[in-house]
Amino acid sequence: LAKTTQPISMDSYEGQEVNITCSHNNIATNDYITWYQQFPSQGPRFIIQGYKTKVTNEVASLFIPADRKSSTLSLPRVSLSDTAVYYCLVVASGTYKYIFGTGTRLKVLA
Amino acid sequence: KAGVTQTPRYLIKTRGQQVTLSCSPISGHRSVSWYQQTPGQGLQFLFEYFSETQRNKGNFPGRFSGRQFSNSRSEMNVSTLELGDSALYLCASSPVRGSPEAFFGQGTRLTVV
Repeated sequence: LAKTTQPISMDSYEGQEVNITCSHNNIATNDYITWYQQFPSQGPRFIIQGYKTKVTNEVASLFIPADRKSSTLSLPRVSLSDTAVYYCLVVASGTYKYIFGTGTRLKVLA
Repeated sequence: KAGVTQTPRYLIKTRGQQVTLSCSPISGHRSVSWYQQTPGQGLQFLFEYFSETQRNKGNFPGRFSGRQFSNSRSEMNVSTLELGDSALYLCASSPVRGSPEAFFGQGTRLTVV
């Protein structure tokens, strides 16, 4: 199973772009990469998922290099309400297990 | 469309007791997974149910068990509670197994005293 590694915490200022990188060296061929956001005392909320190259939706972009051993979540122009913990996880295609990493605590400052 | 509903939201139990937590998935979702979240260990996978069968189990002792009913609602049970079982228990549902997008409930905060 692919284990993920992310920075423990990051600080940013409102209006800046934030990039959070996750490494997943043991990712298998058919595994998907997903990112979730969690606010205190709430369940995680799905942000974006991808398999390779670049995926963009209304809230974020996900960049995955060709070797798929890492991925970068990009949050454009963050606001105070983006302060949360962001989890990268790999959905194991064979076992369908969701393995969450330690998460990155993002703090957005005014 | 109603989200994932977990009951109760808060629970206080005494060591040695047992507890049952409930999860009602989004209508039409057949896969239900459970997670334990603690400050020290983060989000840890407990088990996954699909079509009333446990399909996956995380690395937890046998005191942790669960089941899924024909309407996809799920329950998890913890017997002989220990102080270390104090945690936020989260349930997530998805329409099919292995869907990258899972929908989480707000969790049940269990405190063991």
